[in-house]
Amino acid sequence: AQSVTQLDSQVPVFEEAPVELRCNYSSSVSVYLFWYVQYPNQGLQLLLKYLSGSTLVKGINGFEAEFNKSQTSFHLRKPSVHISDTAEYFCAVSVGNQFYFGTGTSLTVIP
Amino acid sequence: EAQVTQNPRYLITVTGKKLTVTCSQNMNHEYMSWYRQDPGLGLRQIYYSMNVEVTDKGDVPEGYKVSRKEKRNFPLILESPSPNQTSLYFCATVSSNSYEQYFGPGTRLTVT
Repeated sequence: AQSVTQLDSQVPVFEEAPVELRCNYSSSVSVYLFWYVQYPNQGLQLLLKYLSGSTLVKGINGFEAEFNKSQTSFHLRKPSVHISDTAEYFCAVSVGNQFYFGTGTSLTVIP
Repeated sequence: EAQVTQNPRYLITVTGKKLTVTCSQNMNHEYMSWYRQDPGLGLRQIYYSMNVEVTDKGDVPEGYKVSRKEKRNFPLILESPSPNQTSLYFCATVSSNSYEQYFGPGTRLTVT
């Protein structure tokens, strides 16, 4: 079975500071990679995805992520966070026809 | 508007009483999936379906059944629910063009 590791379960950060949420996966075969955001009492919304091509992927709300095949990582970054970015973030991997999610990182933006 | 709907949104039931959570989509997607979300465990795939009459087990299929008789519907069936199936359940579809996954609003199930 595949595994997706989100190394930080909680990340507090001050408003307008940069943030990086880390994600590593275990697959040695080709994968598709995703980051999702979940606001309280809501479903998941796609932030960005890597399917192929450029390893630097830009998503919605100013987020970006970089695919690093040698390190099997797909870290999410934002140069300046806002209060509205407070949410749960999930990294996900698609291998074959299945999807595997990490355990989530709770981002709290402090005013 | 592209939508994935789930019903009911909230359900409290007792051990052993069969229940069905419905899922419907209006995007004509072939791929549909069910997940459960538990604190500290993230989302885990229960079952998925690549098309009508084609279903496969995900990571945590025990205690669940699904069916895919029509493209738009993918119900989740718990024939004999147990307290360890208390969870937040999400239905999702995947666009074969963009590979984007669209999630329903979730169903919070409590089994006592």
